[in-house]
Amino acid sequence: RKEVEQDPGPFNVPEGATVAFNCTYSNSASQSFFWYRQDCRKEPKLLMSVYSSGNEDGRFTAQLNRASQYISLLIRDSKLSDSATYLCAVNRGGSQGNLIFGKGTKLSVKP
Amino acid sequence: GAVVSQHPSWVICKSGTSVKIECRSLDFQATTMFWYRQFPKQSLMLMATSNEGSKATYEQGVEKDKFLINHASLTLSTLTVTSAHPEDSSFYICSASDGYTQYFGPGTRLTVL
Repeated sequence: RKEVEQDPGPFNVPEGATVAFNCTYSNSASQSFFWYRQDCRKEPKLLMSVYSSGNEDGRFTAQLNRASQYISLLIRDSKLSDSATYLCAVNRGGSQGNLIFGKGTKLSVKP
Repeated sequence: GAVVSQHPSWVICKSGTSVKIECRSLDFQATTMFWYRQFPKQSLMLMATSNEGSKATYEQGVEKDKFLINHASLTLSTLTVTSAHPEDSSFYICSASDGYTQYFGPGTRLTVL
């Protein structure tokens, strides 16, 4: 099993749709979880951390399920500008700040 | 969020030459920096982990003698691609850790002719 796995997509959705991405991780000792966004030909940018109790930032909601070892990202009311690749990241067990990245899920929001 | 700069943003060089890329954390000290490479339409590939004052740890398959990494201070790491060849053409991205998460530099697009 890979350390961090994501569905590569692409997810093609219409504007206004709700879309959810999942990411599974293999190391139960991991303690920090993040979602990054990468636009074409740009560097990844931190979108949000994922907290145990779940957290929301506007149209974005991140959740963690430790028992099943996955994190999720929900985007409500999709905008054209949400089109990007979304990467999940998990810290290497016992090593804060040293992250393992998934390969990313591509989202394309259409008019 | 924290700011990481990278220089140059793009470079074109002849085959056989060496190219040096700088990565700086501007508003925080980074004991650990990371170097990634990304080919078009592919995912990030970690090349090496760089700790201040010590030798870098390279991922399997990455030639340490070809990709020289120096992490001389808490705010600066450099990657030198030695004797570059066309197959080294790629998008090189550094990131710096604040001890909790990683922040990426804007990347360097290298084209080797």
